[in-house]
Amino acid sequence: GAVVSQHPSWVICKSGTSVKIECRSLDFQATTMFWYRQFPKQSLMLMATSNEGSKATYEQGVEKDKFLINHASLTLSTLTVTSAHPEDSSFYICSATTSDNLYEQYFGPGTRLTVT
Amino acid sequence: QQQVKQSPQSLIVQKGGISIINCAYENTAFDYFPWYQQFPGKGPALLIAIRPDVSEKKEGRFTISFNKSAKQFSLHIMDSQPGDSATYFCAASDRGSTLGRLYFGRGTQLTVWP
Repeated sequence: GAVVSQHPSWVICKSGTSVKIECRSLDFQATTMFWYRQFPKQSLMLMATSNEGSKATYEQGVEKDKFLINHASLTLSTLTVTSAHPEDSSFYICSATTSDNLYEQYFGPGTRLTVT
Repeated sequence: QQQVKQSPQSLIVQKGGISIINCAYENTAFDYFPWYQQFPGKGPALLIAIRPDVSEKKEGRFTISFNKSAKQFSLHIMDSQPGDSATYFCAASDRGSTLGRLYFGRGTQLTVWP
């Protein structure tokens, strides 16, 4: 149980275009979802926290207008990278928690974004 | 400011040996300390976690030792195997105030030689 999926697993886009990444909780309702980015050989950096039906809370330094997060339902959150640039190339990972287990975060497999 | 400090950055261990990774924190409000294992190109997976009311937790070959007074915790991997070669992250969270937000250490790249 407690499986989180991400789609796509990798994506290549051209500079200036937008790309959407989906994060789904497959067998549970995710009350809170988190979005991270990870550069090679570095730790996970939290970008934003979102609760279903409300606006995401962004970490300091993360551009809200560039990284649009929508948590439309208890099983789906999306991250849209708008006007992507090569420096946005990274590994994006989502995670989710449930009201049944307030401690554990269940991580998705990640999405590799390459902007050319 | 790094909320959780992790060391070493990299670790090489012979098969069958013990791998030890250490973490330290400052925020005494932290009440959940998980360890994650991450393979290249994959998301992190929870390995083992501990809460501050116990000093040690063991699951198979993996043990967390927790020292509340020193604000330190460590992961011990007994009988290390080549399949354990991965990056390990310690983390901490304070459920009471941050909806489970995890603060991660910088990670330790473990290599186990056969």
